Amino acid sequence: EAQVTQNPRYLITVTGKKLTVTCSQNMNHEYMSWYRQDPGLGLRQIYYSMNVEVTDKGDVPEGYKVSRKEKRNFPLILESPSPNQTSLYFCASSFGRRYEQYFGPGTRLTVT
Amino acid sequence: ELKVEQNPLFLSMQEGKNYTIYCNYSTTSDRLYWYRQDPGKSLESLFVLLSNGAVKQEGRLMASLDTKARLSTLHITAAVHDLSATYFCAVDDWGGSNYKLTFGKGTLLTVNP
Repeated sequence: EAQVTQNPRYLITVTGKKLTVTCSQNMNHEYMSWYRQDPGLGLRQIYYSMNVEVTDKGDVPEGYKVSRKEKRNFPLILESPSPNQTSLYFCASSFGRRYEQYFGPGTRLTVT
Repeated sequence: ELKVEQNPLFLSMQEGKNYTIYCNYSTTSDRLYWYRQDPGKSLESLFVLLSNGAVKQEGRLMASLDTKARLSTLHITAAVHDLSATYFCAVDDWGGSNYKLTFGKGTLLTVNP
């Protein structure tokens, strides 16, 4: 089944404790992206990747890191999480930048 | 900076009625997407509108794109409860090397019996 998977789905952590949210797709998509969704703000793009080893900032990259060492994986790293990073995070992928994106199930992160 | 505005943000309608959601955007773009999100779920692609004048229909939903007016509409015909969801439009930032996708804030649609 073609899909985008994220892990974990739910995470509660404390300020400053490094964490990684994994994202994997099995559709051989070139383009991958991370978004955060907050009430009243909609979805905002954090980082995107056009292909392996090619990443760039979205609208809200501060406090996040990404890497794209393999085509199928695009992990999101929070080196020192803060409470304002409490949010619902979505990973998405597509054949290319100008194609519809397929979204993962989401990761609900709470930073206390 | 590309801005995407949806109207209305909240829409409560009765079953059987028609209504339109509007998506305005601020810079030139020739591609627009509509997504649906059910409560507590992920986003699902509804339509990709590729050019000026594009119209796509799926069931009771019809989307159109006017690139000259920088406007897309999502029309709901004879609404049913199953259409209750949040609908997002998203616009490709046609800025050369800028590959960002910008979403509107979403329209929360509630269809009442």
